[in-house]
Amino acid sequence: DGGITQSPKYLFRKEGQNVTLSCEQNLNHDAMYWYRQDPGQGLRLIYYSQIVNDFQKGDIAEGYSVSREKKESFPLTVTSAQKNPTAFYLCASSRVNTEAFFGQGTRLTVV
Amino acid sequence: AQSVTQLGSHVSVSEGALVLLRCNYSSSVPPYLFWYVQYPNQGLQLLLKYTSAATLVKGINDFEAEFKKSETSFHLTKPSAHMSDAAEYFCAVSETGGGNKLTFGTGTQLKVEL
Repeated sequence: DGGITQSPKYLFRKEGQNVTLSCEQNLNHDAMYWYRQDPGQGLRLIYYSQIVNDFQKGDIAEGYSVSREKKESFPLTVTSAQKNPTAFYLCASSRVNTEAFFGQGTRLTVV
Repeated sequence: AQSVTQLGSHVSVSEGALVLLRCNYSSSVPPYLFWYVQYPNQGLQLLLKYTSAATLVKGINDFEAEFKKSETSFHLTKPSAHMSDAAEYFCAVSETGGGNKLTFGTGTQLKVEL
C-alpha cells in the first residue's frame, strides 16, 4: 500500500537531548513537509522540501533541522535548542500543485 | 500572506442534524482551499478541495463546501450528522495550488450527540 510512514508513534526525550523523527513515503511525491500541532493552534509549518537536497524553513524552524538526501525520506531532528518540543508532529507529502497527504504522526514528550 | 479563520473552536450537533463548520480565508491571489478531518492521535485525511473549478465542492462522507469569493468563505456542511463524524476539522489555504505551504486554521472540534 502506498502511503506515508512516521516512526516512532510515541517518543520521549530528556532535557538537552536531540531526537530524530522518521518520515518515509512511497507515493513518489516530490514535496515533503513537517508540521507541528499544539492544542488550539492548528498546524504550523516547520520545514518543507520540494526537491532532493533542498529544503526551506517554515514559520517555526528554530530548534529544528532536516535533511532530504532521498526522495522518499525527510527526517526531522528536534535539537536541544527547541525549548518547548512537546507536541504532535505530522509529516506530509504532495506532488506539485495537489493536496497534501499526511502520516499518522509522532507524539513527542519531554521527560 | 495567506491566513485562515475558523469560527467556533467547538461545535455540538444532534445526530441527524445539519453540520455547519465555518471557514474564512485571506489570500492575495486566487486560493486553493481544503478541508481535512482528524481523529484522535491520527494524521489528517482530506475531505474535499476547491481548485477554481465548480464553486460547490462535494467530498467524502456526504460533506460539501461552497466557495464564496465575495464573502471569502469556504464553509463545510453535511445534511445529517452521524456519530462517526465526531472529530476535529481543519480548513486550509494554499496560494500555489496544493500541498505547497498549506496554512491551516486552528480547527473546530465537532461533537455529535444522541
